[in-house]
Amino acid sequence: AQKVTQAQTEISVVEKEDVTLDCVYETRDTTYYLFWYKQPPSGELVFLIRRNSFDEQNEISGRYSWNFQKSTSSFNFTITASQVVDSAVYFCALSEDNNDMRFGAGTRLTVKP
Amino acid sequence: NAGVTQTPKFRILKIGQSMTLQCTQDMNHNYMYWYRQDPGMGLKLIYYSVGAGITDKGEVPNGYNVSRSTTEDFPLRLELAAPSQTSVYFCASRAARIYEQYFGPGTRLTVT
Repeated sequence: AQKVTQAQTEISVVEKEDVTLDCVYETRDTTYYLFWYKQPPSGELVFLIRRNSFDEQNEISGRYSWNFQKSTSSFNFTITASQVVDSAVYFCALSEDNNDMRFGAGTRLTVKP
Repeated sequence: NAGVTQTPKFRILKIGQSMTLQCTQDMNHNYMYWYRQDPGMGLKLIYYSVGAGITDKGEVPNGYNVSRSTTEDFPLRLELAAPSQTSVYFCASRAARIYEQYFGPGTRLTVT
């Protein structure tokens, strides 16, 4: 069965620090999809990125970067030069068949000015 | 496009009451989903639909029902509300062959 573990419940950093959010997943399928979502204090869920199991290329988007490593079943998310607006709960999610997306418990990131 | 819309935003129910949470999307997405998010937790899938007339259970379907008569609408029905159903409910949708889901703003439901 698919499972996502986000071991970091809460992280607090000072603005401009770099921060990495960890995500470890379990799956028996060879084809699967990994996602990161952001949930700001307003409560909505914002899609950040999707990675396919057959594409291990890391991705950078502005201050955000993602490191996908199948060897360690990890899909970590790094925010460079964090800002107060990055404060949110971040969820990692896994989908094996595109209809049953399993979410981790989330990591609450607080960026202090 | 409004994207995924949900009504109501907030609702308080008494134990044993029934209600329907509405979800509508205007992106012509085939796939639609209902999740619940309990405090401090991730989302859990309640039901999903791959197209009009087709629905299936997710991880936590007990106490809920759904229908999908049109592509746009995917209502979630609570028949006999229980305190354990106090949660935030999110509806989501996605297009075929596009795997990321797009979420509505959520409905905060309290059952007392």
